[in-house]
Amino acid sequence: GNSVTQMEGPVTLSEEAFLTINCTYTATGYPSLFWYVQYPGEGLQLLLKATKADDKGSNKGFEATYRKETTSFHLEKGSVQVSDSAVYFCALHLYNFNKFYFGSGTKLNVKP
Amino acid sequence: EAQVTQNPRYLITVTGKKLTVTCSQNMNHEYMSWYRQDPGLGLRQIYYSMNVEVTDKGDVPEGYKVSRKEKRNFPLILESPSPNQTSLYFCASRGDRNEQYFGPGTRLTVT
Repeated sequence: GNSVTQMEGPVTLSEEAFLTINCTYTATGYPSLFWYVQYPGEGLQLLLKATKADDKGSNKGFEATYRKETTSFHLEKGSVQVSDSAVYFCALHLYNFNKFYFGSGTKLNVKP
Repeated sequence: EAQVTQNPRYLITVTGKKLTVTCSQNMNHEYMSWYRQDPGLGLRQIYYSMNVEVTDKGDVPEGYKVSRKEKRNFPLILESPSPNQTSLYFCASRGDRNEQYFGPGTRLTVT
């Protein structure tokens, strides 16, 4: 089947720390991969995406590389800020199924 | 401004009382969908629509209905809500590059 697995949270970091949120997937086909961010009380916003193997998506200092050999799409940021506190969702899209699959989300708390 | 709107944002209702959550997008997107978000389960797709009059079930369609009579609107209908439908609901529309745009969410409580 098709699914996305994320590391469980919450993840608590101090400001300027390095962030990694792990994401792995299983897919019956060749997916596009996404990271979405949800700030408190809001809907999800697209953070970054990658559509093929070895692509690197990046935005606002966040990066993730599409690793087909390890079926992973880990999210990283070199120096987190308090304003990065949010829930982060990894997702995949399969064109032939025309569906999105989301991970369970990882809550990030950044302390000053 | 490109956006997806949902109404109402908050709703408390009782078991069995029919309700509709509206969703509208102003981006002329063909693809729209509904999700529910529950703690520890992430987002699960309820229904999606490829275009006007074309809808299909997602992963958790039981107890829900949808319609797509106009391109911009995609309402979610709960004909007989039950407490296990208490959740946070999101509508989304998808553009050409597979990027989904989400509405602000509707928090539904069924007592």
